[in-house]
Amino acid sequence: KAGVTQTPRYLIKTRGQQVTLSCSPISGHRSVSWYQQTPGQGLQFLFEYFSETQRNKGNFPGRFSGRQFSNSRSEMNVSTLELGDSALYLCASSLGLAGPSDTQYFGPGTRLTVL
Amino acid sequence: AQTVTQSQPEMSVQEAETVTLSCTYDTSESDYYLFWYKQPPSRQMILVIRQEAYKQQNATENRFSVNFQKAAKSFSLKISDSQLGDAAMYFCAYVPGAGSYQLTFGKGTKLSVIP
Repeated sequence: KAGVTQTPRYLIKTRGQQVTLSCSPISGHRSVSWYQQTPGQGLQFLFEYFSETQRNKGNFPGRFSGRQFSNSRSEMNVSTLELGDSALYLCASSLGLAGPSDTQYFGPGTRLTVL
Repeated sequence: AQTVTQSQPEMSVQEAETVTLSCTYDTSESDYYLFWYKQPPSRQMILVIRQEAYKQQNATENRFSVNFQKAAKSFSLKISDSQLGDAAMYFCAYVPGAGSYQLTFGKGTKLSVIP
């Protein structure tokens, strides 16, 4: 079974631009969560989608948004990029039915650099 | 708000020896899950071990075991017979047991294995 894939793996943008990151979950998984990983703040939860609906949202500004498609693939968008948005963005997929007893499988991440 | 604290930013262990990584957490919930995740350099984060708070018995997975002290809100990871492949960042994480997928992570412990 293929794992979680994220595209692109690396991205360089300039301040003020917007960016879209993609995450394809493991086949059969309906929940996709997004995390931001930085050296200073560590791993922080952005949001979680299940069956095209956002179920949970972390404490990030409205510039960070996401969506999920009917095939469970998910995208996250960051508008008006700031230098502080430079980070590794991880997505994780799970079956989405049993809460914390579901194992979350992580993708390799997208490394975003904002210049 | 829940918090997870890993007080050891870096640790090292001799190959074949045993090492214990510490984690404490703060929550007012009675039902929750705790996890240890491993993130090797430039590789995907993987789940090492999971503990359900209502279970008294400490979880074990091959060479990995935990010492879960619910009253003390402590959740340490013991790695026995350390191997070179165990070198990685280790993150302790918490999820409330109410169907949430929102992982709260500690800042991580970088484990080095000395041959």
